Amino acid sequence: EVQLVESGGGLVQPGGSLRLSCEVSGFTFSNYWMSWVRQAPGKGLEWVANIKQDGSEKYYVDSVKGRFTISRDNAKNSLYLQMNSLRADDTAIYYCARAMTTVTTWAYWGQGTLVTVSS
Amino acid sequence: DIQMTQSPSSLSASVGDRVTITCRASQSISSYLNWYQQKPGKAPELLISAASSLQSGVPSRFSGSGSGTDFTLTISSLQPEDFATYYCQESYSTPITFGQGTRLEIK
Repeated sequence: EVQLVESGGGLVQPGGSLRLSCEVSGFTFSNYWMSWVRQAPGKGLEWVANIKQDGSEKYYVDSVKGRFTISRDNAKNSLYLQMNSLRADDTAIYYCARAMTTVTTWAYWGQGTLVTVSS
Repeated sequence: DIQMTQSPSSLSASVGDRVTITCRASQSISSYLNWYQQKPGKAPELLISAASSLQSGVPSRFSGSGSGTDFTLTISSLQPEDFATYYCQESYSTPITFGQGTRLEIK
């Protein structure tokens, strides 16, 4: 059974940092592109970043470029999102998601972890 | 960036109704269009990929069509478990974008 479990969310002050993790099981992690998608409270879905199987390619939405870094550790079956210089509008549930054969079609999602940026 | 526009934003319908949700892309995306269902407090679930490919385990009352810029999601006969929010998403180019969502409510 495919499972994705996010962790690391919480309350952080504006300008602070947080590192999200997503531990996966039930599939060969190193074979798939992975992504982070977020959802602000009561709002729609927003793609944040994705990373190639070997980590050699990474892409970000403009609003997080230079502040967020996506990474992975294939030996640990884990995906990460390092978030720096956090702003109030980064407040959201952050989901990790696994691609299908198409890089940005997501058939598997974690349960999400809530990040709240507030003073 | 490609803009995805869904309509309607919300919809009230009854069990057994046939419902259609539309999604329009600001430029041609071929068939690079996915549909997701999201229930409150849950992660999205992929219903349809590549505009019309029904995912395994998804009931056959769901169907998708379209190509280029105009797409539709149809639910042929609404069931109680179908009341949720539906999102379209283009997988054509980065940044990947979603429609704003269509909230399907019980009439």
